[in-house]
Amino acid sequence: TQLLEQSPQFLSIQEGENLTVYCNSSSVFSSLQWYRQEPGEGPVLLVTVVTGGEVKKLKRLTFQFGDARKDSSLHITAAQPGDTGLYLCAGETYSNAGKSTFGDGTTLTVKP
Amino acid sequence: DAGVTQSPTHLIKTRGQHVTLRCSPISGHKSVSWYQQVLGQGPQFIFQYYEKEERGRGNFPDRFSARQFPNYSSELNVNALLLGDSALYLCASSSPTSRVGTDTQYFGPGTRLTVL
Repeated sequence: TQLLEQSPQFLSIQEGENLTVYCNSSSVFSSLQWYRQEPGEGPVLLVTVVTGGEVKKLKRLTFQFGDARKDSSLHITAAQPGDTGLYLCAGETYSNAGKSTFGDGTTLTVKP
Repeated sequence: DAGVTQSPTHLIKTRGQHVTLRCSPISGHKSVSWYQQVLGQGPQFIFQYYEKEERGRGNFPDRFSARQFPNYSSELNVNALLLGDSALYLCASSSPTSRVGTDTQYFGPGTRLTVL
């Protein structure tokens, strides 16, 4: 059974600080997605990574896919209160395309 | 363009009842997936339908069933509700391609089901 572990589970920081959250697995994924979810809403896709070692940047967010395609990280620079939310990673394997396995998420709170 | 829509937004049922949740995918998307998200956890895969056929099923009991209609909308049915079925039920639509990583799923706002 695939399992994605996210850490930390909770993170509370001050506006302007940097942070990194992690997503780890013993399984190899063909692709990995990062989502942000706000209370009462569905997850919103931030990025998809497919190549081992890939780095993608989205404004202040930097996403990295591990060389072995088993882990990923999300780094936020100069966090803002608007970054507050639940960050979820999800992976798909070649044998289970379209059936995303989600981690339990990191709840980020950025205080003004 | 409209995103994925789900109805109802909220629902309260009692144990033993059944429930039907509905999802309309993004126009042009032929695949619909259902997820259950219990409070404090990530979404868990329930079903995927593509072109009206079940493509995948997660580790859920037979009380859970789904179907997809010719217009690609979908229903999720849950029978004999248990307290533990209380959750946010998410629908996601996608337009599968043969290229890895391009099967982007777009999620609806979910249906919040409370079982008393």
